Amino acid sequence: EVQLAQSGAEVKKPGESLKISCQGSGYSFSTDWIAWVRQMPGKGLEWMGIIYPDDSQTKYSPSFQGQVTISVDKSIRTAYLQWSSLKASDSAMYYCARQSSGFGSWGQGTLVTVSS
Amino acid sequence: DVVMTQSPLSLPVTLGQPASISCRSSQSLVYSDGNTYLSWYQQRPGQSPRRLIYKVSNRDSGVPDRFSGSGSGTDFTLKISRVEAEDVGVYYCMQGTHWPPWTFGQGTKVEIK
Repeated sequence: EVQLAQSGAEVKKPGESLKISCQGSGYSFSTDWIAWVRQMPGKGLEWMGIIYPDDSQTKYSPSFQGQVTISVDKSIRTAYLQWSSLKASDSAMYYCARQSSGFGSWGQGTLVTVSS
Repeated sequence: DVVMTQSPLSLPVTLGQPASISCRSSQSLVYSDGNTYLSWYQQRPGQSPRRLIYKVSNRDSGVPDRFSGSGSGTDFTLKISRVEAEDVGVYYCMQGTHWPPWTFGQGTKVEIK
């Protein structure tokens, strides 16, 4: 069974850094792209970026380019999404998803709350 | 970027009745390999999104056959033949033909009358 297990909820202050994770299992991790999707409270789904674990090739949405960094450690089958300096507007649910003719598998989501 | 436009944005339905959601793209979603990468997702309250349909009309494993997808080019439809209580949630279409970025529709909220 394909599973994407995300790290737990985070509460941070503005200006702090954060790295959340997504560990894949039950499929060939290295050869399927993994995407990150943001969902702000009460809003729709926004594609942030995507990474190919085998060679770490990464593509970002222009809306998120320079705001976040996507990385991967294929030895432990884990993708990451990180911020160097959080803002209150980064408060949202973040999902990872496996790309296969669309996003066939999703993680359970990581809720990030940024508040002073 | 390809813009995906769904309608309606809110869909009150009676249990047991059919429901239909439209999704239009700002350009054709036919890829150079001949496939059309249009997929549909269901997000129940408090849950992660779940893919229902991929490449326009292919149902994912475990998806009830009351869900069907159709369309071509720039015009697509998700139909629920008989709405059940568990179908309440928000439905999104998404294109994966012209990437990056992958783009979602705004979402259609399905609720029971």
